[in-house]
Amino acid sequence: AQSVTQPDIHITVSEGASLELRCNYSYGATPYLFWYVQSPGQGLQLLLKYFSGDTLVQGIKGFEAEFKRSQSSFNLRKPSVHWSDAAEYFCAVGELAGGNKLTFGTGTQLKVEL
Amino acid sequence: DGGITQSPKYLFRKEGQNVTLSCEQNLNHDAMYWYRQDPGQGLRLIYYSQIVNDFQKGDIAEGYSVSREKKESFPLTVTSAQKNPTAFYLCASSSAGPAGVNEQFFGPGTRLTVL
Repeated sequence: AQSVTQPDIHITVSEGASLELRCNYSYGATPYLFWYVQSPGQGLQLLLKYFSGDTLVQGIKGFEAEFKRSQSSFNLRKPSVHWSDAAEYFCAVGELAGGNKLTFGTGTQLKVEL
Repeated sequence: DGGITQSPKYLFRKEGQNVTLSCEQNLNHDAMYWYRQDPGQGLRLIYYSQIVNDFQKGDIAEGYSVSREKKESFPLTVTSAQKNPTAFYLCASSSAGPAGVNEQFFGPGTRLTVL
């Protein structure tokens, strides 16, 4: 069965600093990978997705992620964090068989210090 | 504007009562999903539906029921059999097709509290 691990429950960075959120997945075939962001009490918004092709994908709000098959990772990065980036971030892996389902990690809570 | 609406935003229920959460989408998506979110546990799939009049159990379906009578609507009923129903519930939808796994679009959520 597929699974996703986000090893960092909380991360604190200073505004203007760089950010990297870790995501490791377990999936037998080529994965479909997603990063979502959630503000408190809100739904999830898609930041970016990887299906195939270039392993460095660009998303909204200045985020990017790199797919590394050898490390089973799909880490999210941003060169310079803004205070408005404070939120919870979820990595997800998609399953082709059975309903287009996504399996989510437990999330990383990002705090931005001014 | 196209999107997903969930109502109500907040819901309070007494123990032993059934309650129904609404989810409507106007994105013309075939597939719809219900997730439960608890602090520190991410999102867990309750039920999903790929087409009208068909749905499947997810990972934590016990104590919940759904229907899919219309393409636009996928209501979730939290029954009295659900032992710990207090949580944040998220509805999502996606287009379905053979091309691969498509992104899911999420509603704003309903926070259910059992008193």
